Amino acid sequence: AQSVTQLGSHVSVSEGALVLLRCNYSSSVPPYLFWYVQYPNQGLQLLLKYTTGATLVKGINGFEAEFKKSETSFHLTKPSAHMSDAAEYFCAVSDMGTGFQKLVFGTGTRLLVSP
Amino acid sequence: NAGVTQTPKFQVLKTGQSMTLQCAQDMNHEYMSWYRQDPGMGLRLIHYSVGAGITDQGEVPNGYNVSRSTTEDFPLRLLSAAPSQTSVYFCASTMGLSGDSPLHFGNGTRLTVT
Repeated sequence: AQSVTQLGSHVSVSEGALVLLRCNYSSSVPPYLFWYVQYPNQGLQLLLKYTTGATLVKGINGFEAEFKKSETSFHLTKPSAHMSDAAEYFCAVSDMGTGFQKLVFGTGTRLLVSP
Repeated sequence: NAGVTQTPKFQVLKTGQSMTLQCAQDMNHEYMSWYRQDPGMGLRLIHYSVGAGITDQGEVPNGYNVSRSTTEDFPLRLLSAAPSQTSVYFCASTMGLSGDSPLHFGNGTRLTVT
């Protein structure tokens, strides 16, 4: 079965600084990978996803992620943090073991943005 | 377009009580699922359904029941609430059954069991 590891439960950056949230996955088959964002008291929203094709994936709000098969990684980046980016971010991999989607989530990284 | 609607938003139960968390979607999605979110543990799958009349267990199904009589609704039943079931519960749905379809989430139900 697939699994996801998110390094760092909290990441703090200053407004305008680079955002880097790390995600490593394990999978015995080509994975589908997702990043979701959760704002306070809300459900999760899709930021971006990798299925096939281009390994650099662009999402909403200026975020992007690069699929690196050799490193089994799917790190999330944004060149310049904004205060509104403060939220919890979840990396997820699709578990196709039973033939359809069962999404496996990482434990989440809370992004703190200071002025 | 309402998307995925969960009710109630908040609930407090005493140990041993039962209740049903409601979930409805208006997107005609075949796949629906329930997750629980606990600090430091991410989201864990409780039960899921790939269509009306079809349900299956996820990672943490004990203490919960589900049914899927219509495409739109997927209620989650707690049979005898326990403090370990204190959590935030999310319902999610998606159109496709392949692995590349993103999930659409409701806003959650925050449950406290005393």
